[in-house]
Amino acid sequence: QSVLTQPPSASGTPGQRVTMSCSGSSSNIGSQYFSWYRQVPGKAPKLLINTNNQRPSGVPDRFSGSKSGTSASLAISGLRSEDEGDYYCATWDVSLNVWVFGGGTKLTVL
Amino acid sequence: EVQLVESGGGLAQPGGSLKISCAASGITFSRYWINWVRQAPGKGLEWVASIKEDGSKKWYADSVRGRFTVSRDHAEKSLYVQMDSLRAEDTAVYYCVGGDVFEIWGQGTMVSVSS
Repeated sequence: QSVLTQPPSASGTPGQRVTMSCSGSSSNIGSQYFSWYRQVPGKAPKLLINTNNQRPSGVPDRFSGSKSGTSASLAISGLRSEDEGDYYCATWDVSLNVWVFGGGTKLTVL
Repeated sequence: EVQLVESGGGLAQPGGSLKISCAASGITFSRYWINWVRQAPGKGLEWVASIKEDGSKKWYADSVRGRFTVSRDHAEKSLYVQMDSLRAEDTAVYYCVGGDVFEIWGQGTMVSVSS
């Protein structure tokens, strides 16, 4: 069982805004920077959001991150079919002294 | 072009050993924290280990501590993981990941542990 909890699936239609959550605790999300990654089948994950809400070069501004307490969220606006994939959150846990990943959310564009 | 390229994966027997490598190009290797993340077939991502830029500090997941050893060679711009006492549950694609926010990912190398 992952230290960070993500819903296993999410879906939306093209153009819609979808959000996905990542629930942790005070020793990880609540006190640390977090990141989001997307993985498409057969490929390596790719960084989408880092240091809470910074997008690396090349990541469109349709992707945004936020945090409230011990939960983080990823929002995707103007959903596109190419946004399909598995999304993972990650952060450092100061109590366990380890990096932790969420279990992943599979996004389907209907 | 920024690249991390893993190699050395393959089949190992339970209790056996394997050493996988990661070669970096297009980055100032000595400035990057390097990590290993693995993904078992059909499963999510699992952090394995990290090594500081100068190699002075290393961190390991509980699942591999005492069995895996990470090292880096700045002259070769390479990172290594010596995996000993392998178990079936170590079967996974192993990704070499650069940066303290995991910003540069290699393509992965498959390690299978089976008799």
